[in-house]
Amino acid sequence: DTEVTQTPKHLVMGMTNKKSLKCEQHMGHRAMYWYKQKAKKPPELMFVYSYEKLSINESVPSRFSPECPNSSLLNLHLHALQPEDSALYLCASSQVSSNQPQHFGDGTRLSIL
Amino acid sequence: AQTVTQSQPEMSVQEAETVTLSCTYDTSESDYYLFWYKQPPSRQMILVIRQEAYKQQNATENRFSVNFQKAAKSFSLKISDSQLGDAAMYFCAYRSPWDTPLVFGKGTRLSVIA
Repeated sequence: DTEVTQTPKHLVMGMTNKKSLKCEQHMGHRAMYWYKQKAKKPPELMFVYSYEKLSINESVPSRFSPECPNSSLLNLHLHALQPEDSALYLCASSQVSSNQPQHFGDGTRLSIL
Repeated sequence: AQTVTQSQPEMSVQEAETVTLSCTYDTSESDYYLFWYKQPPSRQMILVIRQEAYKQQNATENRFSVNFQKAAKSFSLKISDSQLGDAAMYFCAYRSPWDTPLVFGKGTRLSVIA
């Protein structure tokens, strides 16, 4: 069982829709991450939150909007996505220390029509 | 910038045999952390093993062990007594001590043959 829970597991949306991806962890981790992963590729970092503050934005288009309402929750709001945004979106969390591993969720498989 | 190279896009191993996945990295830092993650078709990235650069002893977790050669900047993963459940994509990852993001290699797809 994963300790990082992502919902939904699958999402199909049109280019004009607005949807949100959710991520939750109860391990007391204060760093949370969003990654995008294309098939047969490594995860690409999108955003990092540290102590509920956005610390890294890897030049992600504004149609992706992250939110960290509290230390256990991380959201990714989606609006006006493009077909090339179809991918697996992974959430991860860790202690705020470089020697601590990141714990990943199962991901949300996103398809843009 | 640090880079991580996995030179074997695909590997296969017979069940119960041993296989070694290679990983090399490039860095000018003396202290850092290295990880191997496994991603089965179920999608979840699972931590397999980690190594701290200042530790000379190679990390071991049950059937998984690493051969960490700091001077050569090499961090290979050995899987002993391979099982069908070991079939997955394996990613090598590097992290500097400055709270920077993980740097992933491109991955090695491991198949286990019954």
